[in-house]
Amino acid sequence: EPEVTQTPSHQVTQMGQEVILRCVPISNHLYFYWYRQILGQKVEFLVSFYNNEISEKSEIFDDQFSVERPDGSNFTLKIRSTKLEDSAMYFCASSYLGNSPLHFGNGTRLTVT
Amino acid sequence: ELKVEQNPLFLSMQEGKNYTIYCNYSTTSDRLYWYRQDPGKSLESLFVLLSNGAVKQEGRLMASLDTKARLSTLHITAAVHDLSATYFCAVDTGGSQGNLIFGKGTKLSVKP
Repeated sequence: EPEVTQTPSHQVTQMGQEVILRCVPISNHLYFYWYRQILGQKVEFLVSFYNNEISEKSEIFDDQFSVERPDGSNFTLKIRSTKLEDSAMYFCASSYLGNSPLHFGNGTRLTVT
Repeated sequence: ELKVEQNPLFLSMQEGKNYTIYCNYSTTSDRLYWYRQDPGKSLESLFVLLSNGAVKQEGRLMASLDTKARLSTLHITAAVHDLSATYFCAVDTGGSQGNLIFGKGTKLSVKP
């Protein structure tokens, strides 16, 4: 069964550094998302992306965050200057339609020191 | 602002017993999802509930939706150890696509 793949599985970075989290959504899916989950807490929506532009973003997704689909397969989340509170598991997801179930990747655990 | 409340947050069950997890949400929504998460793993889609009165079953799990009461339930029948996981309900905000508001999750532990 096709799946969403994320790399790396774990990223450690120093505060103030830039990080790029990478995702390969399911190939025929049209909608892409980033969610995050701070350890032991609930899953929070960050951003949705369709037709090469952001559809919706949450309050968490401030100017430090950006997303890009640089080619036909990858979908990236960039955090420009990481803060300690950015430490979380970041999940990429994709769906075929906007109202289809989301398929989540295995996540990237980001640790900011 | 849409709020999603799950209860209980922690549930310890014995194998063979039945129990129900509740998910209340604060505003009208067209779609409600249930996900399962094993420790350190991703979110696995269990059910999508799209209309009032919808009921879906998969194995020992059954989910239902009452849009008038803004309530969904996830019922566990004759629990087994393999069901131990955290279960999240998530409600579509009805805005643009994919903005799901998740509950805090119910951590289920099934003991022999």
